[in-house]
Amino acid sequence: EDKVVQSPLSLVVHEGDTVTLNCSYEVTNFRSLLWYKQEKKAPTFLFMLTSSGIEKKSGRLSSILDKKELFSILNITATQTGDSAIYLCAVYTSGTYKYIFGTGTRLKVLA
Amino acid sequence: SAVISQKPSRDICQRGTSLTIQCQVDSQVTMMFWYRQQPGQSLTLIATANQGSEATYESGFVIDKFPISRPNLTFSTLTVSNMSPEDSSIYLCSVDPIGGNEQYFGPGTRLTVT
Repeated sequence: EDKVVQSPLSLVVHEGDTVTLNCSYEVTNFRSLLWYKQEKKAPTFLFMLTSSGIEKKSGRLSSILDKKELFSILNITATQTGDSAIYLCAVYTSGTYKYIFGTGTRLKVLA
Repeated sequence: SAVISQKPSRDICQRGTSLTIQCQVDSQVTMMFWYRQQPGQSLTLIATANQGSEATYESGFVIDKFPISRPNLTFSTLTVSNMSPEDSSIYLCSVDPIGGNEQYFGPGTRLTVT
């Protein structure tokens, strides 16, 4: 059965800290891995990764994929209180043409 | 990209009643997805709705409980039938215009069943 697991489940840090969120997967017919930020109801898109070793970067956020070890990490540097959210990882499989979401990591950044 | 509107944004309903959630997209898309997010949980796929065919339901979800319509390439509805408090969740529709490159979400419907 396809599955996506994120760790840690929750994390509390102080402003300025750097955090690393993990996403591991076991799926058949992997096509892409996506990261989302969810603050209220609708998740907002952060990154889409398909190739190993190529870092995607947007401001203080960056992400990389390892297709050999079947995981991805999302890094946030110099965290701010506005980074407080649930971070979701999803894997798209070309066999079933649907997204499988991980458990999510709830991040809280304290001032 | 795609812009999605969803309504209602929230509702409080009584046990035993039904609620229909509407999802409108600003462009034609083949695949639309309906998700449920129960309190403190991640997103769970309810069904995939393709225009011109029956929706494909995930394990644990049945058409009698969650009937879906997809009359055209820009619109879909999800009905939550015979509601119970366990149906209290956020319901999200999404579209995937290209397939695996990016999934756009509607603003969500927060449903509370009393």
